[in-house]
Amino acid sequence: QKEVEQNSGPLSVPEGAIASLNCTYSDRVSQSFFWYRQYSGKSPELIMSIYSNGDKEDGRFTAQLNKASQYVSLLIRDSQPSDSATYLCAVNRGSGNTPLVFGKGTRLSVIA
Amino acid sequence: GAVVSQHPSRVICKSGTSVKIECRSLDFQATTMFWYRQFPKKSLMLMATSNEGSKATYEQGVEKDKFLINHASLTLSTLTVTSAHPEDSSFYICSAKGGGYGTEAFFGQGTRLTVV
Repeated sequence: QKEVEQNSGPLSVPEGAIASLNCTYSDRVSQSFFWYRQYSGKSPELIMSIYSNGDKEDGRFTAQLNKASQYVSLLIRDSQPSDSATYLCAVNRGSGNTPLVFGKGTRLSVIA
Repeated sequence: GAVVSQHPSRVICKSGTSVKIECRSLDFQATTMFWYRQFPKKSLMLMATSNEGSKATYEQGVEKDKFLINHASLTLSTLTVTSAHPEDSSFYICSAKGGGYGTEAFFGQGTRLTVV
C-alpha cells in the first residue's frame, strides 16, 4: 500500500460547483496533514494545514480530517477556472525536520 | 506563510558543466531544507534532506557526488549539479521547514534546468 494515495483524476467540475478531493494515508502515527496546489510548470503552494480531527475552513477551502479512517479531504466551494491545478496531499509522519510524504496528486479541471 | 526564494528560475547549460541553484528562506530560519526534482507530468521526487551545518541525507538512487548540497546557514542551501548531462534536465525545487511554522513546508519557485 502506498503511503499517501490520491486519485490521479482528472476530476472535472463545472464552474461554481463544489470540488471534492480525497486522500488516504497508511501510517497511523501521522500527525500533520497538508494540501498543496501546483499549477502546471510551477512549484507547489501550501493552501491548507490540518492537525486535528474535524473540519477546518479557510475562505472557499475546507479541509477535513478523520484519523480513525486515515482520511483527509479538501473541498473547494464555488470552484473557479483558476482553481484548475494539481492538488497534492502531504503527510508529516515524524518530527519537524522529516520530509513530507506526498501523494501523486489529483488533477482538477474546472470547466467554465 | 513563509517565503522561500529560489534562483535562478531557469538555466540552460552545456553538457559537462556545473550549475548551482540557490534556495533562501527570506523571513524565517530554515533548520531543514529539502531538494526535489520533478519531470513533466510526474510526481515530486525527494532527492535529499539537508539540516543546517550537517551533511545532507540523500535518497536511495541519488548520486551525492553529482548533486552536491550545502546548507551552510539557516537561510541558504545550495544544490550544485556537477558535470550535467541532458538526462539531468528537469525541474528542481527546494522546500524549507523551520522558524515558528512547525511541520509546514514552503517551496521555492523552482529551477528549470535544461542541459544541451
